[in-house]
This record gives sequence, structure tokens and C-alpha cells, in this order.
Amino acid sequence: DIVMTQTPLSLSVTPGQPASISCKSSQSLLHSDGKTYLYWYLQKPGQSPQLLIYEVSNRFSGVPDRFSGSGSGTDFTLKISRVEAEDVGVYYCMQSIQLPLAFGQGTKLEIK
Amino acid sequence: EVQLVESGGGLVQPGRSLRLSCTASGFTFGDYAMSWVRQAPGKGLEWVGFIRSKAYGGTTEYAASVKGRFTISRDDSKSIAYLQMNSLKTEDTAVYYCTRDPGYSSSSHFDYWGQGTLVTVSS
Repeated sequence: DIVMTQTPLSLSVTPGQPASISCKSSQSLLHSDGKTYLYWYLQKPGQSPQLLIYEVSNRFSGVPDRFSGSGSGTDFTLKISRVEAEDVGVYYCMQSIQLPLAFGQGTKLEIK
Repeated sequence: EVQLVESGGGLVQPGRSLRLSCTASGFTFGDYAMSWVRQAPGKGLEWVGFIRSKAYGGTTEYAASVKGRFTISRDDSKSIAYLQMNSLKTEDTAVYYCTRDPGYSSSSHFDYWGQGTLVTVSS
């Protein structure tokens, strides 16, 4: 099974400052079809998770452009260019190149 | 607007069964795979399993932790997905989320989520 490892597990950011979360997979997420099956979700307090980024770097509908994803192979990063109060919550990366689908442990973002 | 509404959660004793339902609206249900994801109290997310659309056989895949005990099915005429949970264990206690899965032959990702329903397995 593929293991997803996120760092850091928590971070505290001043509004307006950038934030970055790393996600590493135990195997390459690049498929023979040319796609890389890495996704990012945000679970705001008391809410269901929501899709932020699909296939490494594509923002889902309605996701602000301050969120961006990058990376390849086994190393990926989610960046928030200027953190806002509404960005608090737990961020998860996930792979779907292989069953079972696997999530990272989650990174809790809080505002200073 | 895509909506997914789970129901059927509650308190159940170990070894008993429970069936969750997920009623979908706002999209052509039969065109999509559907997945279930769970979250134990205070823990992270765990993929439970998914069911392909009928166009891809309507077959299912499961996480090892639930294989042989849980069964996912669908009724496209009613736009409902089900999660039948048998031989429940205390470690199955979690919020269960129904999700829409844009994957075809394999589970892909979860673009829409329901509000979740809490299943508590306890004597």
C-alpha cells in the first residue's frame, strides 16, 4: 500500500502571510496515462472535507487562486499565497493511483 | 447544485448490522461512481470503498479493513447509494461520508461530499 506523509502536522500563520504544506508518497503517483493522481482536501472545523486541488495543480471549482499545488513523482506541495481566516482547518493530501486510496495524516492550519 | 445526504447512522452493538443510505441530487447519478469515506472521532480520513457506474459494470472495491463485512450497492432509479455494514466492530465507529467519485474504471477522487452520518458501535 502507498503511504502518504505530510509535514508539518500543524502550522500557525499570521493572516496575509504565506503557508506551505508538503506531502510525500512512498511510490510515484505518475500514471502511464500521463496523469499524476495527487489531490488536496480541506476540512474546515465542523464541516465535511472539500476538494481543493486535483491532479497536483488544478484548482477545483470555486477555489480561490491563492491556493496552488505543485510537485511531481513522490513530492508535492500545497501553497497558500496569503492566508485568510477562512483557511483554518485540516488539510489532507490523497493518492488515487492505486487501491487502497490513501490520505496523509492531515496538517492543521491555525491563525496566529 | 450537487447534494449528497446520508442517513441511517446511529448506535449499534458490536456484531450487529446497519445500512447507510446516500441520496443524491443535482447530477445524473447513474453516470458517476460513488465512494464512502469515514473518519473516526478525532482522527483522519479513511477510504472505505466505492462502486463503479453501471457503464463500468457497477462493481465494487473495498478497503482491507472492511472487505467481507461491508457491501456498497446503488439504485440508479432512486439516485441512492447504500453502505451495508455487517459484523460491526468498535473500531468502525466513525462519521461516514458519501462522496461523488468522477473515476471510471477505478476510484479517482471525491469532488462532492455529504454532511456525514455518525455510526457508533458500542455495547
